[in-house]
Amino acid sequence: GENVEQHPSTLSVQEGDSAVIKCTYSDSASNYFPWYKQELGKRPQLIIDIRSNVGEKKDQRIAVTLNKTAKHFSLHITETQPEDSAVYFCAASSGTGRRALTFGSGTRLQVQP
Amino acid sequence: EPEVTQTPSHQVTQMGQEVILRCVPISNHLYFYWYRQILGQKVEFLVSFYNNEISEKSEIFDDQFSVERPDGSNFTLKIRSTKLEDSAMYFCASSEVRLVVAYEQYFGPGTRLTVT
Repeated sequence: GENVEQHPSTLSVQEGDSAVIKCTYSDSASNYFPWYKQELGKRPQLIIDIRSNVGEKKDQRIAVTLNKTAKHFSLHITETQPEDSAVYFCAASSGTGRRALTFGSGTRLQVQP
Repeated sequence: EPEVTQTPSHQVTQMGQEVILRCVPISNHLYFYWYRQILGQKVEFLVSFYNNEISEKSEIFDDQFSVERPDGSNFTLKIRSTKLEDSAMYFCASSEVRLVVAYEQYFGPGTRLTVT
């Protein structure tokens, strides 16, 4: 089955700096890659996703890149703010037939004011 | 904006007891999921449900677990005989049904299950 590895496990940045979180996946059939933000005690919230027919997607300060050949995808947050502090999870799914999301182990992002 | 809702928010039960966790998916969604998250760990897939039957399940989803859509709005997860290791946050999620492609899964607020 699918295996998703996520790095780093913790990341501390100064407010205004950029943050990058990286994930690799094992199943070449995976074609859908969402990113979720989870604040303490709250539900995972979808912040951005990318499908395998594109290499990059951007939404304001958040961008995701996908390299299908290398089987890795990354989350980029620019101009970080204290409210970006949370745990971020990447996930992968093969979509058709198998919709189950396989999650990475999470990255705790701390943005220092 | 419509959201997935779950009840109860916290359930405490004794080992060996049955529990039922309830979810109301987003109204126009037809694909439903249960995930769990043991404290401090990643989210793990349990089961997906579509057209009144299980579409996919993980190895975690053994004979102690069952799912049901008892009416037009609720989606339930039953654990027949709870074990200590079932203690976790259980998230329900739902998504639209689109041909061919996967679509966004929206998570509910979760039910924290504590087995004593």
